[in-house]
Amino acid sequence: QSVLTQPPSASGTPGQRVTISCSGSSYNIGSNTVNWYQQLPGTAPKLLIYSNNHWPSGVPDRFSGSKSGTSASLAISGLRSEDEADYYCAAWDDSLNGYVFGSGTKVTVL
Amino acid sequence: EVQLVESGGGLVQPGGSLRLTCAASGFTFSSYSMNWVRQAPGKGLEWVSYISSSSSTMYYADSVKGRVSISRDNAKNLLYLQMNSLRADDTAVYYCARENTVVGVWYFDYWGQGSLVTVSS
Repeated sequence: QSVLTQPPSASGTPGQRVTISCSGSSYNIGSNTVNWYQQLPGTAPKLLIYSNNHWPSGVPDRFSGSKSGTSASLAISGLRSEDEADYYCAAWDDSLNGYVFGSGTKVTVL
Repeated sequence: EVQLVESGGGLVQPGGSLRLTCAASGFTFSSYSMNWVRQAPGKGLEWVSYISSSSSTMYYADSVKGRVSISRDNAKNLLYLQMNSLRADDTAVYYCARENTVVGVWYFDYWGQGSLVTVSS
């Protein structure tokens, strides 16, 4: 059971906006920054958003992150077929002294 | 170009041992902390272990503590994960990941392609 809770699935039609939530606690999201990773089918994870709302080079600004209290969210605007993937949030956990990942959300483009 | 290439995975019997290696290139390996992250078949990501750039600090997930040891050789640009007393639930693809950090901020910015470890009799 993951320390960070995400919905198992999310979906939308091309062009729509999809939001994925990530719920944690004061030990992780509440006191540390959140990163988001995208994992396309059969590939390694890729950094999508770091430090709550920053884009690594090459990531389109259709992806955006936010954090409030012990929760974070990832928004995908202008949904495209190539966005079909699994998305994971992650944060350092001060009580576990380790990194924790969310349970993952599978995004489907209808 | 940053590259991380894992090797050493395979089939091992329950109770057995295995050492994974991650070969790094394209960056100054000795300047970065490194991590291992695993993914069981059809499951999500699970962080396994962390090692600082100088090997002065290591952390382990509770699920592997006491059975796993992380190490590195900065002269050879290699990262290791020694796994002992392997169990069926250790079956997973193991990724090495480079950690990029600025004060108060951290993230895994590069990942290897993964090495599959299967624990089965």
